[in-house]
Amino acid sequence: DQQVKQNSPSLSVQEGRISILNCDYTNSMFDYFLWYKKYPAEGPTFLISISSIKDKNEDGRFTVFLNKSAKHLSLHIVPSQPGDSAVYFCAASAVRGAQKLVFGQGTRLTINP
Amino acid sequence: DAMVIQNPRYQVTQFGKPVTLSCSQTLNHNVMYWYQQKSSQAPKLLFHYYDKDFNNEADTPDNFQSRRPNTSFCFLDIRSPGLGDAAMYLCATSRDLVREELFFGSGTQLSVL
Repeated sequence: DQQVKQNSPSLSVQEGRISILNCDYTNSMFDYFLWYKKYPAEGPTFLISISSIKDKNEDGRFTVFLNKSAKHLSLHIVPSQPGDSAVYFCAASAVRGAQKLVFGQGTRLTINP
Repeated sequence: DAMVIQNPRYQVTQFGKPVTLSCSQTLNHNVMYWYQQKSSQAPKLLFHYYDKDFNNEADTPDNFQSRRPNTSFCFLDIRSPGLGDAAMYLCATSRDLVREELFFGSGTQLSVL
C-alpha cells in the first residue's frame, strides 16, 4: 500500500523552462510534506517543505504547492538549470518529526541545454 | 564540514554471511536512521535511534539489527543476508524528533552473491 506516489519516473525539461514534479498521497492525516533532491552517488538532501496550514511555499527558484482536497503536492522549478538534473523525492508525515516520514519512489529530472 | 559518512560505499557479501554497515556523523544530532532503498523504489525506514532509545519499524525483519555505541556512530547488522537484501542502505540523522529535515549519508550499496 503506497501512501505517497510519484507517478512519473522521469521528466525531461529544456533549460530555462519550468519543471513541474508531481506527488499524490492517500493518507488524509498527512500534515507535513517535504521534497528531497538526490544526485548520483550522493545521499538525498532536503530541498523545501510545506505544512498543511499553507498551500504554497517559495524558496528562490523552488515553489511547492499543496492541494489538500486533491491530496496532491507539486514542486515547481523556475527557471530550470542543468544543475537541477537529479532524482526528486517527495515525502509526507502525519506527525512532526522524520520518524514517520513516508517517501515516494522518486522522479528523475533531466534538464536539457 | 559537518556531515554524515557511510562506509564502505560498496559492500559485497555472500548469501548467509553476516555483514555490518557503518555510519558516523559530525552533526551531533540526537536521532539516527537506517533506510533501505531498492532500485526505483521509495526509501523504506528500517529503524531509528533517539539517543540510545532504539525504535524498530513493525515490518523490519528480525534479520536486521542495529547498534549505536555513542552519539556519533550507528551500525546496521544483517545477520544472514538473503538475495532480497541487496539494496542501497542509507543512514540519516535529524536534530531531534520534531524536525522533519533529514541529513543523509551517501549510502552503502550492498550486493549479496
